[in-house]
Amino acid sequence: RKEVEQDPGPFNVPEGATVAFNCTYSNSASQSFFWYRQDCRKEPKLLMSVYSSGNEDGRFTAQLNRASQYISLLIRDSKLSDSATYLCVVNLPNQAGTALIFGKGTTLSVSS
Amino acid sequence: GAVVSQHPSRVICKSGTSVKIECRSLDFQATTMFWYRQFPKQSLMLMATSNEGSKATYEQGVEKDKFLINHASLTLSTLTVTSAHPEDSSFYICSARVEDRGSYNEQFFGPGTRLTVL
Repeated sequence: RKEVEQDPGPFNVPEGATVAFNCTYSNSASQSFFWYRQDCRKEPKLLMSVYSSGNEDGRFTAQLNRASQYISLLIRDSKLSDSATYLCVVNLPNQAGTALIFGKGTTLSVSS
Repeated sequence: GAVVSQHPSRVICKSGTSVKIECRSLDFQATTMFWYRQFPKQSLMLMATSNEGSKATYEQGVEKDKFLINHASLTLSTLTVTSAHPEDSSFYICSARVEDRGSYNEQFFGPGTRLTVL
């Protein structure tokens, strides 16, 4: 079983739509949780951290449920510029300390 | 945020040659550096973790003799793909972190190196 699983999509939505991405992780030792954004042929960039209490950054809302090992990202009022791949990421202990482990990503395409 | 650079950004080489990729933290000292690989439409896969001055720790399935990692200073790590073959063609991304104190310290990513082996 993969450490981090996401629905790969693609999600094709019109501008202004609300879209939700889900993610599950398998290792209960996961310490920290994030959503990253990756544009085509570029490196991933941190979008936001995810906390158990839920957190919001503008149009983006992230939720974490540790009991069910589930993470979500909600994007409201989608913009064309939101088109990208969204990566669910967990920080896991490994032999050398900890490291970020990535899901496969969910592709979002916002159209006018 | 902190800046991580990679060089080269793109390399095309013949099968059998070795390719060295450099990763530098430009405005901070990185105790730990990570190397990831990403194939088309796949996730970033962690290849190895290296702490400055010690040998790299490789993930299961990654050949340490093929992917040589050197982390000789707090600002530089190199990945050498030895005797590269077409199946090694991928997007290689490095990441650097200040230190791991048990709680999370942000990893900063380089822009990646796209390797094509003919």
